[in-house]
Amino acid sequence: SAVISQKPSRDICQRGTSLTIQCQVDSQVTMMFWYRQQPGQSLTLIATANQGSEATYESGFVIDKFPISRPNLTFSTLTVSNMSPEDSSIYLCSVESPSRSDTQYFGPGTRLTVL
Amino acid sequence: AQKVTQAQTEISVVEKEDVTLDCVYETRDTTYYLFWYKQPPSGELVFLIRRNSFDEQNEISGRYSWNFQKSTSSFNFTITASQVVDSAVYFCALSPYTGTASKLTFGTGTRLQVTL
Repeated sequence: SAVISQKPSRDICQRGTSLTIQCQVDSQVTMMFWYRQQPGQSLTLIATANQGSEATYESGFVIDKFPISRPNLTFSTLTVSNMSPEDSSIYLCSVESPSRSDTQYFGPGTRLTVL
Repeated sequence: AQKVTQAQTEISVVEKEDVTLDCVYETRDTTYYLFWYKQPPSGELVFLIRRNSFDEQNEISGRYSWNFQKSTSSFNFTITASQVVDSAVYFCALSPYTGTASKLTFGTGTRLQVTL
């Protein structure tokens, strides 16, 4: 499986500010995904990020709030903009396994608290 | 639309007991994938298994086994002789069969607590 890292692992932010989360993979992958897990809840897909194209957002998520970059095949960023306490969640990136298509492996997550 | 239901919110067992986590799904797709992931207290999501909709063979991996029944749209997960290290939240998930990784629809998870 791919080794996935995320930075930061956790952060506490003030309302109205923005935070950029980085996701780094140790191998080239085509498909990367960003999920949100609100406290005590399940995971919800925010967007799919393919290298060389605009991210595709799920219903309820917009680019102005969650801009995503995918500059190459091993890296992506998710920005949470103009944060409010409702954005407090764990944000996880995932990638399609290089050796096992149709399967996603997840990074360790970024635990965000907005005050 | 796809939907995954994990009716068991929380299960507590004593070590060495067997435990089954239920998963029921809904999809209009004729082919699809089913998954189980484990989320220990550290928060990382750990992949456990992927099952194709056209492969109904049950699978066993050590103390873990999975029972896929298309007729009842269920994909249940059994842990035999549970251990304290099995304590985690377990998620069942569903995705369409597209040839590449695609959106995972997760259930709400079952929290398993294994005590001594």
